[in-house]
Amino acid sequence: GAGVSQSPSNKVTEKGKDVELRCDPISGHTALYWYRQRLGQGLEFLIYFQGNSAPDKSGLPSDRFSAERTGESVSTLTIQRTQQEDSAVYLCASSTYRGGKNIQYFGAGTRLSVL
Amino acid sequence: DAKTTQPNSMESNEEEPVHLPCNHSTISGTDYIHWYRQLPSQGPEYVIHGLTSNVNNRMASLAIAEDRKSSTLILHRATLRDAAVYYCILRGNTGTASKLTFGTGTRLQVTL
Repeated sequence: GAGVSQSPSNKVTEKGKDVELRCDPISGHTALYWYRQRLGQGLEFLIYFQGNSAPDKSGLPSDRFSAERTGESVSTLTIQRTQQEDSAVYLCASSTYRGGKNIQYFGAGTRLSVL
Repeated sequence: DAKTTQPNSMESNEEEPVHLPCNHSTISGTDYIHWYRQLPSQGPEYVIHGLTSNVNNRMASLAIAEDRKSSTLILHRATLRDAAVYYCILRGNTGTASKLTFGTGTRLQVTL
């Protein structure tokens, strides 16, 4: 079936503007995760959802970052009053428990550039 | 989370086997060893995982030391398509949803 889909693939915004990033997980996957990857670095965890609830939002860097998930499906990550240090690739993953495993499947990411 | 240590980079010739090491001396008894890789301009993809015994799948093999303080991801015949950053990650109960803690990984270069 279809993989994890993220939109837009690229987003350029001006400092101070708000942005919304969207993630469509694999159908039927109960868990959804957001990560951030700055240039040349590893992935940083931001938040994850089990169903529509977020048991772990410990990685959100500030109160300018928020995320929601509806219908146990699509999720949006919102960054308010963007700053230049928010420039990064934002990656979404989804997973479900199957065959004794809980593997995360990643989308291609949204590249955010804050000018 | 227990930490892993990997070399920053490795090189291999195409068609040769590649052994990617990972040290995890503070691993707990319930931590699984997961490997993901990230091809250029893509999100990470799952490669393999194990607890104590060596594991094989269509992508790779995972050799786990008897004391579990280190492991090695083995690509039996590297191809150009295997050029990627390989991440070794420790994770608790593999049946439940939980975050992955990525380090900086090993960048594998494959040459003709």
